[in-house]
Amino acid sequence: GAVVSQHPSWVICKSGTSVKIECRSLDFQATTMFWYRQFPKQSLMLMATSNEGSKATYEQGVEKDKFLINHASLTLSTLTVTSAHPEDSSFYICSARDPRGAKNTEAFFGQGTRLTVV
Amino acid sequence: DAKTTQPPSMDCAEGRAANLPCNHSTISGNEYVYWYRQIHSQGPQYIIHGLKNNETNEMASLIITEDRKSSTLILPHATLRDTAVYYCIVGAYGQNFVFGPGTRLSVLP
Repeated sequence: GAVVSQHPSWVICKSGTSVKIECRSLDFQATTMFWYRQFPKQSLMLMATSNEGSKATYEQGVEKDKFLINHASLTLSTLTVTSAHPEDSSFYICSARDPRGAKNTEAFFGQGTRLTVV
Repeated sequence: DAKTTQPPSMDCAEGRAANLPCNHSTISGNEYVYWYRQIHSQGPQYIIHGLKNNETNEMASLIITEDRKSSTLILPHATLRDTAVYYCIVGAYGQNFVFGPGTRLSVLP
């Protein structure tokens, strides 16, 4: 099946710095990618929808100036956590669907990025 | 909010079948039922999906009731490596997936 890869798998950063997370579709082109956040013992929560060549759509309560999303190519979306604080520590996951498949095709998820802000 | 309801946890003996139920009474005609699982600290893994017919693949079987208001995921011979959180999701093409709390399946030796 299609593969979605995230990098890095884990990152530790100092409070106040910015961190960039990459999400790549390895064998298909994804015009749309989704970014989720997952806190310990909780389910995945959608943060934003990343659209190639246009601005991302953010879910209510997600600060677009803090979580910068760039989808500059059909195989790469990036999420930058700006001025990170300890409360931003979380598991960040991206997903995408292979548009070559049928319209009911499943979504594929990256392996996730564990962000720890100290 | 998620459109599905699942029991928060279940236990299953190793080697036995694990039957995970899901209620989706408000499912629309164009929405499919998807199942994913998440092993600790990993991204969700796709298992199976279906519209109204029962489906089977190398991982599991999906049984959807005739009225489509509920479904059951069946892992025929559960192993310890099947211990995970299982998510039942309904969605149509182009929609993002909304995750509920899922069912935490513990496969016991």
